[in-house]
Amino acid sequence: AQSVAQPEDQVNVAEGNPLTVKCTYSVSGNPYLFWYVQYPNRGLQFLLKYITGDNLVKGSYGFEAEFNKSQTSFHLKKPSALVSDSALYFCAVRRMDTGRRALTFGSGTRLQVQP
Amino acid sequence: GAVVSQHPSWVICKSGTSVKIECRSLDFQATTMFWYRQFPKQSLMLMATSNEGSKATYEQGVEKDKFLINHASLTLSTLTVTSAHPEDSSFYICSASKNSKGGNEQFFGPGTRLTVL
Repeated sequence: AQSVAQPEDQVNVAEGNPLTVKCTYSVSGNPYLFWYVQYPNRGLQFLLKYITGDNLVKGSYGFEAEFNKSQTSFHLKKPSALVSDSALYFCAVRRMDTGRRALTFGSGTRLQVQP
Repeated sequence: GAVVSQHPSWVICKSGTSVKIECRSLDFQATTMFWYRQFPKQSLMLMATSNEGSKATYEQGVEKDKFLINHASLTLSTLTVTSAHPEDSSFYICSASKNSKGGNEQFFGPGTRLTVL
C-alpha cells in the first residue's frame, strides 16, 4: 500500500526566509506524488506533482519540491516565505490499487510565517 | 481551467435527518469523482470512489447504506448522509478526475461543512 508521512505538525518560519515542509513516502513501484495547500474552511489547492522526469519540480506560487529516490522524500520548498503562505499543507501519493486514482494524504503540516 | 463546486458549503441539520451534498465539475466531464471526509485538524480520508453510471466503491469501514453516492451524469455526483448523527459532523470534500498530461489529475471542491445537532 502507498503511504506518505509528514513528520512535522507545524513549521514556523520568518517572512523572507526559506521554508521546507517535509514529506517521505512508501510505495511499491514508481510514486506519483503531490502537494496541496488548504486554507481555513476551504478545499485543497494543487501546488505541484511529480510523475517522472526531473527531480526538481516547480509549482504554483513559487513553490518547488525535490524528489529524492534514495531518501524516499519529496520535500516542499520555497526560497522566500510570505505571510500569505501560512496554511495547511498536505503531501499525497496516488493509489495504484484496482485502477483507482484516489489519493492517500499525509497528516498535514501547518505552516506559520511570521511577519 | 478545471473547477469543481460543492453545494451547500455548509449545512446544519437535526439528528436523524438526511442531508444531500452535490459535487459538480463545472467545465469538464469527470467519469470518476472521489468523496473524502476531514475531521478537525486531521487529514483527508477517502470514503468512496464514485463512477458515472455504476455503483460507487466504498473504502473499508465506510457504511454504504449510510453514505449513499449517486453519479448520475459526467458532471454531477451526490453524497447523501442518511439518518445523520452528531458523529457524522465533518468537512466533506469531493474531487473530480480529469485527464491531463501525465495522467488523471484531481481537482478538489471547496468542501461542505456538515454539523449534526
